[in-house]
Amino acid sequence: KQEVTQIPAALSVPEGENLVLNCSFTDSAIYNLQWFRQDPGKGLTSLLLIQSSQREQTSGRLNASLDKSSGRSTLYIAASQPGDSATYLCAPEIKAAGNKLTFGGGTRVLVKP
Amino acid sequence: EAGVAQSPRYKIIEKRQSVAFWCNPISGHATLYWYQQILGQGPKLLIQFQNNGVVDDSQLPKDRFSAERLKGVDSTLKIQPAKLEDSAVYLCASSQGWDEGEQYFGPGTRLTVT
Repeated sequence: KQEVTQIPAALSVPEGENLVLNCSFTDSAIYNLQWFRQDPGKGLTSLLLIQSSQREQTSGRLNASLDKSSGRSTLYIAASQPGDSATYLCAPEIKAAGNKLTFGGGTRVLVKP
Repeated sequence: EAGVAQSPRYKIIEKRQSVAFWCNPISGHATLYWYQQILGQGPKLLIQFQNNGVVDDSQLPKDRFSAERLKGVDSTLKIQPAKLEDSAVYLCASSQGWDEGEQYFGPGTRLTVT
């Protein structure tokens, strides 16, 4: 059974600092891995999807790396802004009877102006 | 393109009452998922449909939860009778196929059981 851990659980930084969010998973036989953002009271918004054959994926100020062999992914957010305040969730996908996501507990980020 | 729609957005009920949630996926998406997200935790998959058939319901508490997806489009998740520990956000998601593409999530329904 896939277990996903996200560290730290919460993070508070001043505006402009770079953010580093860590995700570890126990089963390295994944198909891909998604990073999501969740604002309070809202659903999940997909930020990045990394295929298992990729090492990293970039979108604007966001960069996610994937190391399948060690069961780790890291989300980097450059030059953080108050609008980046949200909970960030990682979800590796296993390919067994359909694409199933297993979510970590999330990292709650607060960027202070 | 319209996103995943869910209703109601909020619901408060007393324990032992019943409740139903509705989800309309993105047009053309064959796969539909229901997740339960307890406060402070990540979402947990309850049930996955491919068209109108169930692919996985291994984590659905079948003594009180039921779900259906008639005609392979809209879906309804029901809880009867509700318990205090069912208080959570219920998220619906859809994807193009059962083994392809990203999952797109709706805004969720926040259930409070008192």
